[in-house]
Amino acid sequence: QQPVQSPQAVILREGEDAVINCSSSKALYSVHWYRQKHGEAPVFLMILLKGGEQKGHEKISASFNEKKQQSSLYLTASQLSYSGTYFCGTEPPLINFGNEKLTFGTGTRLTIIP
Amino acid sequence: DTEVTQTPKHLVMGMTNKKSLKCEQHMGHRAMYWYKQKAKKPPELMFVYSYEKLSINESVPSRFSPECPNSSLLNLHLHALQPEDSALYLCASSPTPGNEQFFGPGTRLTVL
Repeated sequence: QQPVQSPQAVILREGEDAVINCSSSKALYSVHWYRQKHGEAPVFLMILLKGGEQKGHEKISASFNEKKQQSSLYLTASQLSYSGTYFCGTEPPLINFGNEKLTFGTGTRLTIIP
Repeated sequence: DTEVTQTPKHLVMGMTNKKSLKCEQHMGHRAMYWYKQKAKKPPELMFVYSYEKLSINESVPSRFSPECPNSSLLNLHLHALQPEDSALYLCASSPTPGNEQFFGPGTRLTVL
């Protein structure tokens, strides 16, 4: 079942902060975050593994709450280049090596305006 | 070389045609993926090759046939497609299964 992201869409002014949430109904091993600009391929941002660790990437960071089966992506002091659609991708606990598969969330469209 | 390439960029085909999509990476990645993406929707996993063996087939219709001739190359053979198969087909690779995925630019397929 597909992870649900919220909000579906958000418009921010440059410099504002945003939080994007990803919620799964299934147990998770890892959460990936990707950004896709219009007409382009998704670009990897970060992976979070179970254990609740928080990761950072420039002004973009994320957290993973394994018990709640949720992850959040934090964008601080947003820049115009942050515009795009953000997808989380979730991976269930591994059963067999080589059977890892990513299920992408519903997506959040982020628009940054000057 | 740090990119995934896909050819062709665009493809228009009739329902009786046979065509192939090609994906190539030279990063030494051992996992390769095919995704289908409709407009304003997330990518949907179709197939996963892990160490050149098909490890996941997400119940994809047999009119789509994947092939992994070697560790750098991934093909998707198309035959007797339907108009609803029109979409962006994305290829991705990762160092090993479960790692970050690097996506190619995609092939935009239109079935008439």
